[in-house]
Amino acid sequence: GESVGLHLPTLSVQEGDNSIINCAYSNSASDYFIWYKQESGKGPQFIIDIRSNMDKRQGQRVTVLLNKTVKHLSLQIAATQPGDSAVYFCAGLYGQNFVFGPGTRLSVLP
Amino acid sequence: SQTIHQWPATLVQPVGSPLSLECTVEGTSNPNLYWYRQAAGRGLQLLFYSVGIGQISSEVPQNLSASRPQDRQFILSSKKLLLSDSGFYLCAWNRDSNQPQHFGDGTRLSIL
Repeated sequence: GESVGLHLPTLSVQEGDNSIINCAYSNSASDYFIWYKQESGKGPQFIIDIRSNMDKRQGQRVTVLLNKTVKHLSLQIAATQPGDSAVYFCAGLYGQNFVFGPGTRLSVLP
Repeated sequence: SQTIHQWPATLVQPVGSPLSLECTVEGTSNPNLYWYRQAAGRGLQLLFYSVGIGQISSEVPQNLSASRPQDRQFILSSKKLLLSDSGFYLCAWNRDSNQPQHFGDGTRLSIL
């Protein structure tokens, strides 16, 4: 079946640095990917999405890059802030449903 | 704007007792609705989804069932809870299957 996974379960970055969170997917049949942020005790929050006809998409302080050749997706957060501390996970749409990765816990160090 | 509500936020139940978790969506009509279970260190597991009133699709065989009695109401139930039903349950909605899903804040279910 399809799988979506992240490379690192945890990531620590210094406040003000840029963060890069990676995700790999197994099946190239997905043409739509989403990044979510989940804070402790809360539900996942939509951050940014990208469709397979794009390589890059930018939001406010966040950029998503899609490399279809190697089936890799990344989320870049610029000037990481303490409020960015959370679990981040990617999801890919297969058929009518999304497959979610297990998440990377981002810790922002003062 | 659209909002999604789940309750209760936490629940402690004895083994063998029944379960009813409720999810409602406001500000939209005919949403797709989803129930997920989230285990630590693993991706969200889709349990049920619904594209309309009375229409339920089950993704995994289990001790749980779902119902959609009204357009914007989705209920997760069990007649007899097992220890393995403990977990964090999330409800989500979207307008179309190829649109982002929006999640509630979940229910932490503990079975004793």
